[in-house]
Amino acid sequence: GAGVSQSPRYKVAKRGQDVALRCDPISGHVSLFWYQQALGQGPEFLTYFQNEAQLDKSGLPSDRFFAERPEGSVSTLKIQRTQQEDSAVYLCASSEARVGGRETQYFGPGTRLLVL
Amino acid sequence: TQLLEQSPQFLSIQEGENLTVYCNSSSVFSSLQWYRQEPGEGPVLLVTVVTGGEVKKLKRLTFQFGDARKDSSLHITAAQPGDTGLYLCAGPSLGMLTFGGGTRLMVKP
Repeated sequence: GAGVSQSPRYKVAKRGQDVALRCDPISGHVSLFWYQQALGQGPEFLTYFQNEAQLDKSGLPSDRFFAERPEGSVSTLKIQRTQQEDSAVYLCASSEARVGGRETQYFGPGTRLLVL
Repeated sequence: TQLLEQSPQFLSIQEGENLTVYCNSSSVFSSLQWYRQEPGEGPVLLVTVVTGGEVKKLKRLTFQFGDARKDSSLHITAAQPGDTGLYLCAGPSLGMLTFGGGTRLMVKP
């Protein structure tokens, strides 16, 4: 039983470059979440999916951020025209059930993005 | 927006000492969770507290949920170097988790 995996683990991008971060949730998990964790801070919510439906994207900081989960499994977080303030660890989490209860979220190891 | 504040932000202690980490909010939460995060890894759930006044123990860790469900504390007895890490509290809010800023604990041998 593999946990949540994310790739790449590290990404260095030049300012203005587009990046794509991948999340493989635990098999069968319905809900998938993306969080952004700045250095020395707690994670902050970006967006979440229930199966393939993106139910909340209120945490995405700008229209340069876009997330998808087309088949209700793997998810990709895309950042266009990266800026230095986008440098952070991007965490993906999945949970077994539909959002609303006290379902445990299982976190991946994160992708550390550095924008130069 | 529900906010969670953690204190202290940093804590450096010697092995064998006791410590308490606090998580406070002006809002009521239906439950609160405590996570531990090690460098290069994602947060790992330690415990969920649900009932006001609830106390849960996990070996040397004792978690308490305030009576009004607005605050929580984590007490570690006889800290060990293996307890080193970032401790995060989090509360559910419309499905997603709202995290505190974290307490970075270092336990020196």
